[in-house]
Amino acid sequence: DGGITQSPKYLFRKEGQNVTLSCEQNLNHDAMYWYRQDPGQGLRLIYYSQIVNDFQKGDIAEGYSVSREKKESFPLTVTSAQKNPTAFYLCASSLRGPQYEQYFGPGTRLTVT
Amino acid sequence: GESVGLHLPTLSVQEGDNSIINCAYSNSASDYFIWYKQESGKGPQFIIDIRSNMDKRQGQRVTVLLNKTVKHLSLQIAATQPGDSAVYFCAENMDTGRRALTFGSGTRLQVQP
Repeated sequence: DGGITQSPKYLFRKEGQNVTLSCEQNLNHDAMYWYRQDPGQGLRLIYYSQIVNDFQKGDIAEGYSVSREKKESFPLTVTSAQKNPTAFYLCASSLRGPQYEQYFGPGTRLTVT
Repeated sequence: GESVGLHLPTLSVQEGDNSIINCAYSNSASDYFIWYKQESGKGPQFIIDIRSNMDKRQGQRVTVLLNKTVKHLSLQIAATQPGDSAVYFCAENMDTGRRALTFGSGTRLQVQP
């Protein structure tokens, strides 16, 4: 089956710890994206990558880091510098460029206490 | 499930009625628009898209209307069903050089049996 997988579905961490969220796609898409979603709000763009070994900051990149070493994978690290890390994190992929449908993964709910 | 959309605008309709969900977009240069559906605890799902050279596009039970004059996008769902209950987001390609979609804040659709 083709699609995007995110793991784990629920993740719990202590404050001060870095945590890495996994995102894998087998759709052969060049572009991948990370969004954050808080209750009552829409999706806010954290980072995006249009091609391997290249990525750009979105609207709320502070406290996050990414890598894009493989076409299939775009992991997101939530660092201890992120002041309010508890949120629902969504990964997406698409053909290169913004004029294509983005396919979303099931999301990871991160809770930091 | 995930508690998204707690404070979102809500549209409540009776099963079998038609639903109209509206979205005001921000950039007159935007040339591509998408509607997504998000059920609680899940990632958004693509519903329908439209490019700026069109003012109407139809899918199965759904129609998207684009009014570029007033920067307005609407999603019409015919014969609304309980399974249509979800949060609906519009997204636009703002064509500002950022090669990623920008998402609106969403509308919750509640279908009453």
